[in-house]
Amino acid sequence: FLLTQSPLSLPVTLGQPASISCRSNESLVNNDGKTYLNWLQQRPGQSPRRLIYQVSYRDSGVPDRFSGSGSGTDFTLKISRVEAEDVGVYFCMQGTRWAFGQGTNVEIK
Amino acid sequence: EVDLVESGGGLVQPGGSIILSCAASGFTFRDYWMSWVRQSPGKGLEYVANMNQDGREKYYGHSVGGRFTISRDNDRNSLYLQMNSLRVEDTARYYCARGDNFSGDSWGQGTLVTVSS
Repeated sequence: FLLTQSPLSLPVTLGQPASISCRSNESLVNNDGKTYLNWLQQRPGQSPRRLIYQVSYRDSGVPDRFSGSGSGTDFTLKISRVEAEDVGVYFCMQGTRWAFGQGTNVEIK
Repeated sequence: EVDLVESGGGLVQPGGSIILSCAASGFTFRDYWMSWVRQSPGKGLEYVANMNQDGREKYYGHSVGGRFTISRDNDRNSLYLQMNSLRVEDTARYYCARGDNFSGDSWGQGTLVTVSS
C-alpha cells in the first residue's frame, strides 16, 4: 500500500494559494463507506497536528483557508491564501492502516 | 484540554531495551484508542503500534512487530511501549497520539530514543 504526495517541496508566495496532492495505489473507501484520509501539519520543531479528517472535515481551531477534497484514490489539501504560520511539512495519512505520505515541505518564497 | 506527555526516551545500546510512557490528561482515557508513531531525524512519520480502549486489540507496524509491545493502564491514564532488541534504525522521536476517526486528533511532544553503541 502506497500513499504518494506531490510535490515534496512547495515554495509559495505569502497570500497566494497552495495545493498538495496525495494519491494512493488503491481505493481508500472503507467497508463502512467512509474514507479515512486525513491531513496533518507539522510546523518546524513541533509535533504533528491534525488539520483534516475523513477527506474534508476540518478540526476545531483550523482556519477555514485549509480545505480538503477528493475521493477514491486522489485527494488534495488546499490552502487558499498562505500565511507565514503555515510553513511546515504536511502529511496525508490513511487512517485504517495508519499509513503516511512522504510529506510536503511548504516554505515561503 | 487534552494533554499527552511522553517520557522514558534516552540513549540505549543496540540489542537493548527501553520502556516509553505516555501520561494522558484532559479527557477520559479509557474511552479512546491510543497509538504510537515515530519519526526518525529529518524523516517522515511511521506507524509503530496502536491499541483499543480495553487493550484487547493490539496492532503493530511491520518494522517493530515481535520486538515492541504496546500496553495501557486505564486506571493510571497511561500508555506504554516496551521496546526490545533495539536496532540503530529504531532511533527516532516517539509520539503518542489519541485515536479519533481512525487518526490521531491529539499528539504529544514526543520522546527521543537514540540507539547507538
